[in-house]
Amino acid sequence: DIQMTQSPSSLSASVGDRVTITCRASQSISTYLNWYQQKPGKAPKLLIYSASSLQSGVPSRFSGSGSGTDFTLTITSLQPEDFASYYCQESLIIPYGFGQGTKLEIK
Amino acid sequence: QVQLQQSGPGLVKPSQTLSLTCDISGDSVSSTVVTWTWIRQSPSRGLEWLGRAYYRTKWNIDYAVSLKSRMTIIPDTSKNQFSLHLNSVTPEDTAVYYCARLWGSSWFDPWGPGTLVTVSS
Repeated sequence: DIQMTQSPSSLSASVGDRVTITCRASQSISTYLNWYQQKPGKAPKLLIYSASSLQSGVPSRFSGSGSGTDFTLTITSLQPEDFASYYCQESLIIPYGFGQGTKLEIK
Repeated sequence: QVQLQQSGPGLVKPSQTLSLTCDISGDSVSSTVVTWTWIRQSPSRGLEWLGRAYYRTKWNIDYAVSLKSRMTIIPDTSKNQFSLHLNSVTPEDTAVYYCARLWGSSWFDPWGPGTLVTVSS
């Protein structure tokens, strides 16, 4: 199985800040990497697919980059509704591993 | 717009079978371009892919290796739904269970709302 490692596991930031979350795969996955946002009591929501493509309806302050084993999710100018948990997920081969998550909290 | 709606009990006794159903609207369980999946989430294991069903020229079903002996996914074309059955459950199977569509063999969208299933006597 491909192991996905996210960092940091938690992050405190303020409204208006720029934050970056990283995800590392245990082997090369090309750009088969997706990012999700999850709020308490809700299902994950797709933000970024194929490493850098913005899902329809997702604000442009979200962006993704990377290929191979190292990926980043960047949120510019944090908004109050962005405080949530974020997960990366590889989609190269089953069982489609997820990262352990990054909880973004208000400072 | 594709929507997934889940149903099933929230409490299952140890050693019994956990059964959940995912009703699909706005797409077809027999679509040849998507895959229908089950995922669960627990504090101890995080998000965990459980299995998938997809139709190409025939039905294909795959399971997570760790659950293969206990799990069954059944697509139902007459009701446009797919179901999960996990037998011999233990408290370790307590989790929020989600159904989701895998689009383009790559990303999960949309997800069902989730069902918290607690395994307890």
